Amino acid sequence: GAGVSQSPSNKVTEKGKDVELRCDPISGHTALYWYRQSLGQGLEFLIYFQGNSAPDKSGLPSDRFSAERTGGSVSTLTIQRTQQEDSAVYLCASAPSGINYGYTFGSGTRLTVV
Amino acid sequence: TQLLEQSPQFLSIQEGENLTVYCNSSSVFSSLQWYRQEPGEGPVLLVTVVTGGEVKKLKRLTFQFGDARKDSSLHITAAQTGDTGLYLCAGLGNTPLVFGKGTRLSVIA
Repeated sequence: GAGVSQSPSNKVTEKGKDVELRCDPISGHTALYWYRQSLGQGLEFLIYFQGNSAPDKSGLPSDRFSAERTGGSVSTLTIQRTQQEDSAVYLCASAPSGINYGYTFGSGTRLTVV
Repeated sequence: TQLLEQSPQFLSIQEGENLTVYCNSSSVFSSLQWYRQEPGEGPVLLVTVVTGGEVKKLKRLTFQFGDARKDSSLHITAAQTGDTGLYLCAGLGNTPLVFGKGTRLSVIA
């Protein structure tokens, strides 16, 4: 597609349930990033995929968070046993390889844990 | 840990006024980017500055990268209501982009 697509756009879940968030990057972009944006906070880096390299998971806040990227394209971010503090907007971005390229962001998934 | 501090956090001005937003860090970045985000959308890239001292102009927006590549500013001339939004600076170093918390700009007609 023309842009980065994320689904669902909104998700309300009960505390303790697992959720999966999906990201479809721009075709041909080798880099894919997940960030989290909470009210009043900046964008918090979660995880980064670059081509076939091992992902940079240094931003994942706990072992309840995991992500995979299949076939170098679509990515899924999974949050297990959701907590209220997980409520935030989860943003996915993709970029061509190489430095100094800007990221193209999706519109995000707004996750609310009740 | 690389951090970016943005100021002011909030800015409300009348249409036609000029304004400057600042982005500061104690770390050196290889490049710095500015994004604008509207409600319900992801951030959209405005500009990338790479060279210390670099100045880039995008219509009424002027971006400057500090000589030491630790800070940047965004100046808007004759603000319009369409400039309303959250402005985010982001630094590229040895890690994926590090974002500031943003400046929320409201331009009132």
